[in-house]
Amino acid sequence: DTAVSQTPKYLVTQMGNDKSIKCEQNLGHDTMYWYKQDSKKFLKIMFSYNNKELIINETVPNRFSPKSPDKAHLNLHINSLELGDSAVYFCASSQALTGGTEAFFGQGTRLTVV
Amino acid sequence: GDSVTQMEGPVTLSEEAFLTINCTYTATGYPSLFWYVQYPGEGLQLLLKATKADDKGSNKGFEATYRKETTSFHLEKGSVQVSDSAVYFCALSGSGAGRRALTFGSGTRLQVQP
Repeated sequence: DTAVSQTPKYLVTQMGNDKSIKCEQNLGHDTMYWYKQDSKKFLKIMFSYNNKELIINETVPNRFSPKSPDKAHLNLHINSLELGDSAVYFCASSQALTGGTEAFFGQGTRLTVV
Repeated sequence: GDSVTQMEGPVTLSEEAFLTINCTYTATGYPSLFWYVQYPGEGLQLLLKATKADDKGSNKGFEATYRKETTSFHLEKGSVQVSDSAVYFCALSGSGAGRRALTFGSGTRLQVQP
């Protein structure tokens, strides 16, 4: 019974295309996140939503647009894909906005732009 | 802003060797500290955490102590196994109001040889 699930796991697409990655959590958490992991394994926060409200929006090109239809789902839409967007994208969730709260991660979506 | 610095890898050890992965942080106030592990092809899993100074987190033989005086949270294990081969991430969650996304270190790859 997967806690945080992302689809697809792999995504290969051409430059200029638009693509979406979906994320769902069944933990009843209030907060969800998107992280980007580059080729050197460095992880950086992109967005965070709390109860469908955007609370963190890091310096990310506006080609990236998160959407949260309800607190169990946080999707990531990417317009006009570029080669530099190739990375692994991780969705995560946590219970609340407190510092000691553990984040649960999905398996990741490996995006390759060709 | 908050930051986490980890020792660079890869760290290569023989089975049953002692492991230390250094982690230091910069943050205001009293952050919570975490170690996450990423096995090949998988998402991140919480390994252990500590939420206040002098706390010791432990799990699966791994330990780390929250040292505020040295702003450190070094990961240790007395006897590593081949199955411990993975990438280890140190992370913090700030204590201020508002954002609660994790700030990660760059990750340290551990390779354990039989």
